[in-house]
Amino acid sequence: EVQLVESGGGLVQPGGSLRLSCAASGFTFANYWMTWVRQGPGKRLEWVANIKQDGGDQYYVDSVKGRFTISRDNAKNSLFLQMNSLRAEDTAVYYCVRGGGSVDCWGQGTLVTVSS
Amino acid sequence: EIVLTQSPDFQSVTPKEKVTITCRASQNIGSSLHWYQQKPDQSPKLLIKFASQSISGVPSRFSGSGSGTDFTLTINSLEAEDAAAYYCHQSSSLPRTFGQGTKVEIK
Repeated sequence: EVQLVESGGGLVQPGGSLRLSCAASGFTFANYWMTWVRQGPGKRLEWVANIKQDGGDQYYVDSVKGRFTISRDNAKNSLFLQMNSLRAEDTAVYYCVRGGGSVDCWGQGTLVTVSS
Repeated sequence: EIVLTQSPDFQSVTPKEKVTITCRASQNIGSSLHWYQQKPDQSPKLLIKFASQSISGVPSRFSGSGSGTDFTLTINSLEAEDAAAYYCHQSSSLPRTFGQGTKVEIK
């Protein structure tokens, strides 16, 4: 069974940092693009970033460029999102998702709250 | 950035009715359009990929159509378990984008 389990969310002050992790199992992680998608309270889903199978290419939505870094460790079947200079508008549930196009499997999400 | 606009935003429907949700793209995206269902307090679930391709395990009452800029998700004979928000999503270009969502309520 495909499983994606996020961790690392929590409450952080504006300007702070968090590192999200996603543990993947049930499929060959190294064969897939991986993506982070977020959903703010009462907001639509928002694509945040994705990363190629070998980690060589990463793409970001403009609002997080220069602040967030997506990475992966194929040996440990893990996906990461390093989030720096966090802002109130980054408050959201962050989902780890398999795929780079029609993303087909979603984790349960981890809540990030940016507030003083 | 490609903007996806769904209509309607909200629909209240009786069981066994047919539901139609549309998604319009701000530019031609070919067939790179996917549909997701999100039930309250759950993660989204892929329903239809590449405009009309069915997904294993998804009930056959869900179907998709369209290409270019206009797309449709159809739910034939709505069931109570279909109460959810439905989102379209494009993978034609970066950044990937989602529609604002359509909430379907069961009367």
